[in-house]
Amino acid sequence: AQSVSQHNHHVILSEAASLELGCNYSYGGTVNLFWYVQYPGQHLQLLLKYFSGDPLVKGIKGFEAEFIKSKFSFNLRKPSVQWSDTAEYFCAVIRGNAGNMLTFGGGTRLMVKP
Amino acid sequence: DAGVIQSPRHEVTEMGQEVTLRCKPISGHNSLFWYRQTMMRGLELLIYFNNNVPIDDSGMPEDRFSAKMPNASFSTLKIQPSEPRDSAVYFCASSLSAGGRTDTQYFGPGTRLTVL
Repeated sequence: AQSVSQHNHHVILSEAASLELGCNYSYGGTVNLFWYVQYPGQHLQLLLKYFSGDPLVKGIKGFEAEFIKSKFSFNLRKPSVQWSDTAEYFCAVIRGNAGNMLTFGGGTRLMVKP
Repeated sequence: DAGVIQSPRHEVTEMGQEVTLRCKPISGHNSLFWYRQTMMRGLELLIYFNNNVPIDDSGMPEDRFSAKMPNASFSTLKIQPSEPRDSAVYFCASSLSAGGRTDTQYFGPGTRLTVL
């Protein structure tokens, strides 16, 4: 069965620190990849997505992610975090033959200290 | 664009009662998803509709849960009878799929259900 792993469950950073959140998936075929963010008390919002093309994807709010097919990874990065980035971040994957069914990772809670 | 609309936003009920959650997808979207989010289990897909037809309901926890989509603009998730372990945030999401092409899912604000 396909799984999505986010190894960092909790991350605490100071403002201006660089961020990298890991995401690995276990399916070997074609995948579509997503990062969603959930701010405290709010719903999930799309940060960025990868369907095809340039494996380095830029999203909103200065976030980017790199698809490395050989490593089955889609890590999220931001060079300098802000207090307002405090949220939970979810990686999600759709297999190429799974219709529109998203499989989510367990999430990473990021706390940015001012 | 109003986005995905869910109601109610909060629901508190007693064990054994019937609970109905409602969702209005984004106009023009033809896929609709119900998710449940808990601290213990994270985000779980419960059921997925395409063109109003349930495609995969393998995530529905048990027979107490049922979902319907009578038309393209409305879906319900019903729990009868409800139990305390059903307490969670229930999200609805919608997307546009055409010709087998996958598209982004947009999430609603969620319904926070508490079963006492």
